[in-house]
Amino acid sequence: DTGVSQDPRHKITKRGQNVTFRCDPISEHNRLYWYRQTLGQGPEFLTYFQNEAQLEKSRLLSDRFSAERPKGSFSTLEIQRTEQGDSAMYLCASPPSFRPGDEETQYFGPGTRLLVL
Amino acid sequence: AQRVTQPEKLLSVFKGAPVELKCNYSYSGSPELFWYVQYSRQRLQLLLRHISRESIKGFTADLNKGETSFHLKKPFAQEEDSAMYYCALSGAGGYNKLIFGAGTRLAVHP
Repeated sequence: DTGVSQDPRHKITKRGQNVTFRCDPISEHNRLYWYRQTLGQGPEFLTYFQNEAQLEKSRLLSDRFSAERPKGSFSTLEIQRTEQGDSAMYLCASPPSFRPGDEETQYFGPGTRLLVL
Repeated sequence: AQRVTQPEKLLSVFKGAPVELKCNYSYSGSPELFWYVQYSRQRLQLLLRHISRESIKGFTADLNKGETSFHLKKPFAQEEDSAMYYCALSGAGGYNKLIFGAGTRLAVHP
């Protein structure tokens, strides 16, 4: 177990509903990443936090998506007015430790699988 | 544009055969390359990174900057190696975000 946890593991929702996912990084590491993975593809970067600051957002993150990390520990990813195209696995990642060299590595959580009906 | 290409969606071999999973990248700077593995019903796991120059579970990968490749190799495949393998590039645009290839499914048959 790499220590990154995500909740819930599965979410089924109807189109138009809002959903929120949570990620707890390893040892409350200051770096936290969100990715999305659709069927047959590798993960795609969504956004990056350093402490509570959201420093980078992908073009994939439309205005229906919002991510927060209010205290620099856990993070939430909210999707408003979900669409069927939002169905995917949402992954969270963080480095395993603050040791030199480890900060360039990302360990992944189990993901939240979203299905929009 | 930064990109990672894994040309094979599926690689099927018999147990004991050599394996080479191909990965090519495009990146103008000094990349850092990784291989991740995802076994059935498990999370994505780091297999190895080029900077470590180590062998994990018998797998090795050498960064070839001239050919912009980072192929993953193992001399003798085992059934437990069956999984999805993803090549990833870091260093594009800062903050160490990862750019992944589409993945290759390795199937090792008895």
